[in-house]
Amino acid sequence: AQKITQTQPGMFVQEKEAVTLDCTYDTSDPSYGLFWYKQPSSGEMIFLIYQGSYDQQNATEGRYSLNFQKARKSANLVISASQLGDSAMYFCAMREGPPLGWRALTFGSGTRLQVQP
Amino acid sequence: DAGVIQSPRHEVTEMGQEVTLRCKPISGHDYLFWYRQTMMRGLELLIYFNNNVPIDDSGMPEDRFSAKMPNASFSTLKIQPSEPRDSAVYFCASSSGEHNEQFFGPGTRLTVL
Repeated sequence: AQKITQTQPGMFVQEKEAVTLDCTYDTSDPSYGLFWYKQPSSGEMIFLIYQGSYDQQNATEGRYSLNFQKARKSANLVISASQLGDSAMYFCAMREGPPLGWRALTFGSGTRLQVQP
Repeated sequence: DAGVIQSPRHEVTEMGQEVTLRCKPISGHDYLFWYRQTMMRGLELLIYFNNNVPIDDSGMPEDRFSAKMPNASFSTLKIQPSEPRDSAVYFCASSSGEHNEQFFGPGTRLTVL
């Protein structure tokens, strides 16, 4: 079974609008972390935002926020006020196990976002 | 602060040749990871190190692949002999801290002809 599922291969959004990129995950571990990365056409992987399974509040970083619904096992990324520079591939990833000490990151297949002027 | 540094950025080689990819992690990070990205398989973890010691190499595809980390500031991923199916982007990432967010290098685009 897929650990991380991103069901939207591609998304379009108008500049200045908000967009939600979907991510669902599968784990039986009570402690886990969820990450979002951005990969622009230049190829580098840029860390955007992190949510821990025990965090009470949804994570936010500037225009990025993570809509964490634990019961549904979803961790959707919300980008507010889209900009042309947001056009990129976006990957959701999960770490299973407690934060301290490393655990493997499993990546989803990604969503390609295109922001239209 | 400098991020993760990888070299070369692009490598084109012929089948059967040895390829060495290099990585310098972020100073102070005690975990280092090697990933491979292809269209077919997405991002795959190949191997990771903690304090220069290989911890899990179960993602290394074959014996043709080997990785070393002789010190805290340098790691190599070697493919010998290379094959066309090894063509991919190889990322190095490093991590330290509570949440384990990994910071990626720019990647090495490898083409094996």
